[in-house]
Amino acid sequence: DQQVKQNSPSLSVQEGRISILNCDYTNSMFDYFLWYKKYPAEGPTFLISISSIKDKNEDGRFTVFLNKSAKHLSLHIVPSQPGDSAVYFCAASESNFGNEKLTFGTGTRLTIIP
Amino acid sequence: DTGVSQDPRHKITKRGQNVTFRCDPISEHNRLYWYRQTLGQGPEFLTYFQNEAQLEKSRLLSDRFSAERPKGSFSTLEIQRTEQGDSAMYLCASRSSGRADKTQYFGPGTRLLVL
Repeated sequence: DQQVKQNSPSLSVQEGRISILNCDYTNSMFDYFLWYKKYPAEGPTFLISISSIKDKNEDGRFTVFLNKSAKHLSLHIVPSQPGDSAVYFCAASESNFGNEKLTFGTGTRLTIIP
Repeated sequence: DTGVSQDPRHKITKRGQNVTFRCDPISEHNRLYWYRQTLGQGPEFLTYFQNEAQLEKSRLLSDRFSAERPKGSFSTLEIQRTEQGDSAMYLCASRSSGRADKTQYFGPGTRLLVL
């Protein structure tokens, strides 16, 4: 049972344009969401997070939007740069319920075309 | 400020052998997590420590797996009688106990190949 889903395995975007990565979840107890970026043979690098009490969080070129009613979140990267090419993972936890584990999606490979 | 470190970065072993991995968390972090990632999948939770206490274990953690954090600092993950299905990237993460920042920060991982 995949509680966190990233339905697009890959995405290609022209350099300078906006990249939009999507994530859906089924567990209504999730209250904390994170995006990680991963290069081959490295561990995931934290990008940005959002609590369920918010619907938007912004950090530089990265913005995460949360739509609780649709159980959907998205990561916007603007402008996209070649160094953004990596696999992006969405993750969620039931942090307010004492459940520490992160549940990850299967990832979306983002390729930025120069 | 050093991040989470893991040792070794790579391990090749024969089926049936035991292996042990080490994780050193960020120094002020009292919570430590182990995850496993296989090809094409996201990381999957294995177990979690708060200080030296192991508070949660996934059903993925069979009897052949054991994790320790004896002094509440570094942690070890041991796999006994390895099987080819154990081949994966083993990731360690840590976070502080503060309520404000719930972010888990990951190490570089240990890639295990069981022949």
